[in-house]
Amino acid sequence: EPEVTQTPSHQVTQMGQEVILRCVPISNHLYFYWYRQILGQKVEFLVSFYNNEISEKSEIFDDQFSVERPDGSNFTLKIRSTKLEDSAMYFCASSEMRDSGNTIYFGEGSWLTVV
Amino acid sequence: RKEVEQDPGPFNVPEGATVAFNCTYSNSASQSFFWYRQDCRKEPKLLMSVYSSGNEDGRFTAQLNRASQYISLLIRDSKLSDSATYLCVVNGNTGFQKLVFGTGTRLLVSP
Repeated sequence: EPEVTQTPSHQVTQMGQEVILRCVPISNHLYFYWYRQILGQKVEFLVSFYNNEISEKSEIFDDQFSVERPDGSNFTLKIRSTKLEDSAMYFCASSEMRDSGNTIYFGEGSWLTVV
Repeated sequence: RKEVEQDPGPFNVPEGATVAFNCTYSNSASQSFFWYRQDCRKEPKLLMSVYSSGNEDGRFTAQLNRASQYISLLIRDSKLSDSATYLCVVNGNTGFQKLVFGTGTRLLVSP
């Protein structure tokens, strides 16, 4: 079964450092997403991306966050200057269509620890 | 009011038991509804979509009541492997896949 792959699986970074989390969505999918889950809390939507631009973002996704599709396969989340509260599991996801009934497939996540 | 509200549990049940989870959502314009399963420190995985007519997949039955903004999941004949956190998930009406997750209900099935 095709899957969304994410790297790294774990990253520890110092506060103030830049972090890039990478994702390879499922190949025929056109819609890409980032979600995050702080330990012990619910999964939260960060951003959706289509046709090389952000289609929607949450209030969490402030100026320190950015997303990019640098080539035909990768989809990245950059956190410019990490804060302690950015420590979380970050899930990349993709879907074939935008329709609300269409299945979203999640990657296994990148666990970010900011120290 | 939380967008999606669930009893966090845990629900401790013996193998073979029937267990039911409930969920309420606040946005009456929500269009799609799902149950996801999440194992510890793993990604959410779609268990089933939820339709107004109710739907069943093996031992799992989901129901949606739009008037009450209420979603349920029934698991029959619980297995040890059913131990996980069950996430109630609602899709908003933005047209894009902005899923809103509940905090999840933890299920522990014991021998």
